[in-house]
Amino acid sequence: DAGVIQSPRHEVTEMGQEVTLRCKPISGHDYLFWYRQTMMRGLELLIYFNNNVPIDDSGMPEDRFSAKMPNASFSTLKIQPSEPRDSAVYFCASSARETQYFGPGTRLLVL
Amino acid sequence: GEDVEQSLFLSVREGDSSVINCTYTDSSSTYLYWYKQEPGAGLQLLTYIFSNMDMKQDQRLTVLLNKKDKHLSLRIADTQTGDSAIYFCAERSKGGGNKLTFGTGTQLKVEL
Repeated sequence: DAGVIQSPRHEVTEMGQEVTLRCKPISGHDYLFWYRQTMMRGLELLIYFNNNVPIDDSGMPEDRFSAKMPNASFSTLKIQPSEPRDSAVYFCASSARETQYFGPGTRLLVL
Repeated sequence: GEDVEQSLFLSVREGDSSVINCTYTDSSSTYLYWYKQEPGAGLQLLTYIFSNMDMKQDQRLTVLLNKKDKHLSLRIADTQTGDSAIYFCAERSKGGGNKLTFGTGTQLKVEL
């Protein structure tokens, strides 16, 4: 298996623009997680899905952030409008049973 | 809520053993994990242990779990420069779905 796939790997955008991050989980995994990592706040869980249904979105920082999982093989995290403080590395992870596997991350820089 | 704590930094000489420690608060933890993150990369699952075990060995890695003290450690034998990375401890609570709570990470620096 190719592992968790994320795109783009790097994104540079200007404040106010919409940003869409994409994730393809490992085939057969029924959980999908979105995390954000910064130097100041470390690794934060934003939202997670089970069988394509959002289970806990309490980590989503504000209404500017939204996530969808239209099917078992695809999820998006959207930021609209983006702000400089959203600059971070965003990770997607998927799991089945007890193990969780991370993608390589998307490095987002909002100018 | 659940909390996982780690020391921030550890420096060892190449060839020595490294021991990275972690404490957690949730007594209902079912699994505990160690992840490794190299610069610019995602988190790589190294190993994990079920909460009813007290030790797990996997090649150069040894995980020790003291459930009474809620203490987890990762020992890396014969540490190499390629082991330099950030190591994250994480726990999964009973009833928490597959959600993990991560520590802040320990930066391991291996010196020649």
